Amino acid sequence: GENVEQHPSTLSVQEGDSAVIKCTYSDSASNYFPWYKQELGKRPQLIIDIRSNVGEKKDQRIAVTLNKTAKHFSLHITETQPEDSAVYFCAASENTGTASKLTFGTGTRLQVTL
Amino acid sequence: NAGVTQTPKFQVLKTGQSMTLQCAQDMNHNSMYWYRQDPGMGLRLIYYSASEGTTDKGEVPNGYNVSRLNKREFSLRLESAAPSQTSVYFCASSGQGFVNQPQHFGDGTRLSIL
Repeated sequence: GENVEQHPSTLSVQEGDSAVIKCTYSDSASNYFPWYKQELGKRPQLIIDIRSNVGEKKDQRIAVTLNKTAKHFSLHITETQPEDSAVYFCAASENTGTASKLTFGTGTRLQVTL
Repeated sequence: NAGVTQTPKFQVLKTGQSMTLQCAQDMNHNSMYWYRQDPGMGLRLIYYSASEGTTDKGEVPNGYNVSRLNKREFSLRLESAAPSQTSVYFCASSGQGFVNQPQHFGDGTRLSIL
């Protein structure tokens, strides 16, 4: 089955700096890579996703890059703000045509300090 | 539009007791999922249902059963609860198609087994 590794487990940045979280996956058949943000005690919420036919995707201060050859993808947050503090999860999925079975990384706790 | 609704939000059980976690979605999604979230381990897929009438095992199905009651509802049952099943349980749903669709999560059920 799929295995997703995520690094670092914790990340502390100053407000305004950039944050980068990296993930690797094992199954070359995976073709969908979402990122979720989870605040303490809340549900995971999708913040951005990328499919394997795209190398990069941006949404305001958030961007995701995908390197299919190396089987890794990264989340980039620019101009970080205190409200970006949360746990971020990457995931990978192979589309079976019926359901998306997501395999999650173990999460990165991001702390944005003033 | 409530999205994905889970009940109950909190539950304490004694070892050996049984209970059913309920999940309902109002987004007309075909696929539904049950995950458990433990500290430091991310989210792990327990069972999923690609469409009404079908269910399949995920990564950690032992000790659980599921029922896809109709298109809206997907329940998770613990027949004989064990302390190792203490966790936060999340239900999610997604649309269906030739490309992966984003999964939307409920608020979770926090389950403690004594």
